[in-house]
Formats: sequence, structure tokens, C-alpha cells
Amino acid sequence: DQQVKQNSPSLSVQEGRISILNCDYTNSMFDYFLWYKKYPAEGPTFLISISSIKDKNEDGRFTVFLNKSAKHLSLHIVPSQPGDSAVYFCAAGQSGGSYIPTFGRGTSLIVHP
Amino acid sequence: EPEVTQTPSHQVTQMGQEVILRCVPISNHLYFYWYRQILGQKVEFLVSFYNNEISEKSEIFDDQFSVERPDGSNFTLKIRSTKLEDSAMYFCASSVTRQTEQFFGPGTRLTVL
Repeated sequence: DQQVKQNSPSLSVQEGRISILNCDYTNSMFDYFLWYKKYPAEGPTFLISISSIKDKNEDGRFTVFLNKSAKHLSLHIVPSQPGDSAVYFCAAGQSGGSYIPTFGRGTSLIVHP
Repeated sequence: EPEVTQTPSHQVTQMGQEVILRCVPISNHLYFYWYRQILGQKVEFLVSFYNNEISEKSEIFDDQFSVERPDGSNFTLKIRSTKLEDSAMYFCASSVTRQTEQFFGPGTRLTVL
């Protein structure tokens, strides 16, 4: 039961270019969404979030876009840097419920110098 | 910067043995969580803990699992009789409130032989 889907297991981008990581969800009750970044041998680190009342949230080089009608969100990294190479997890949850996020399987981003 | 710590980093055990995974959450956090990630799969919620009791648990968290906060700093996950399918990375996380960002530890890789 994949309520949060990240269909691309990996993505390769040139340094300086834009990285776009995609995520789809099926549960219409989800009303908050998060992106986590994970380096090898470390735990996931919170990166950015968005509430369903917004369609865009920006934090420096990172922007998350939410399309509720399509049940789709994306994370844009501009410009991409080699240090951004990591696994990115999309997660979603219900603020009126337990707040426990449901995670996707992750997308491995490689940024080439 | 405060962080969640986990020990050991890697635990190898025989099927049927008991294991205890240990976590030290961030000191002013009140909510504690365990997640697991089977290799190549998504991060899955196991259990949340607040005010010295389980506040929520998933279907994975059956009678073989238990959690405890034996003192003011440690938070443990016990698996009573390990199975091969328990092999995974186990992440501990903590947060100040139910709604705020969860901070993850580096994980314990459990290998059941």
C-alpha cells in the first residue's frame, strides 16, 4: 500500500543545473508534506515542508511545489551542488490525526561536478 | 548542536535471539519514535512514545516488539525473538511536540542470521 510514491529511484544532474524530485500521493486526507534528505550512515534530516493551504514554499535553494488536484509535489533544487548528493524522501501526513508521516521509498540524487 | 544518538551502529544476531536497540533523544524533546527501513524499501513507522507510554503504533509493532524509557535519557526498542525479516535499519527520532519536526538518529543496522 504505497500512499506516497517516488517513482524515480535515482536522478543524475550536473552541478549548477536544476534538480527536480517528484512525489505522488494517494491519500486525499494528507494535508502536510515534508522532504527529508539522507546521507549514507546518517539518519534522515528534515529539509522543507509545505501545508496543503499553500502551493509553494521556498527556503534558499530549495522550493517545494504542491499540486493538490494532481496529488503531486515536487522539490526543486537550484542551483544543484555536489553536496546535495543524497537520498531524498518525500513524506506526508494528516495534521488532524497522529502527525506521523508516511514516507516514500526515496530518490537518490547524484550531482556531478 | 544537539542530536539524537543510537547504539550500536550495527548489531548482528541469530534468529530467535533478543535484541535491544538504544537511543538517546534530544534532551528537551518529549515525543520519541522508532522507524525501520528494510533495504531498498521505504522508511516505515513502528511506534511513538509520549509521557512514558505508547501513543501510537503500526501493524508492524506486534507483541515481539516493546519500547521503554528506562531512565531520563535512554529510549530503547526490544525485539524479543528476532526473525530474518527483522533485518533492517532502525531509526530513532524525537520531537519537541507532536506537530514539530522530528530529528532522526543515524540508525542501527540490525542483521538477523
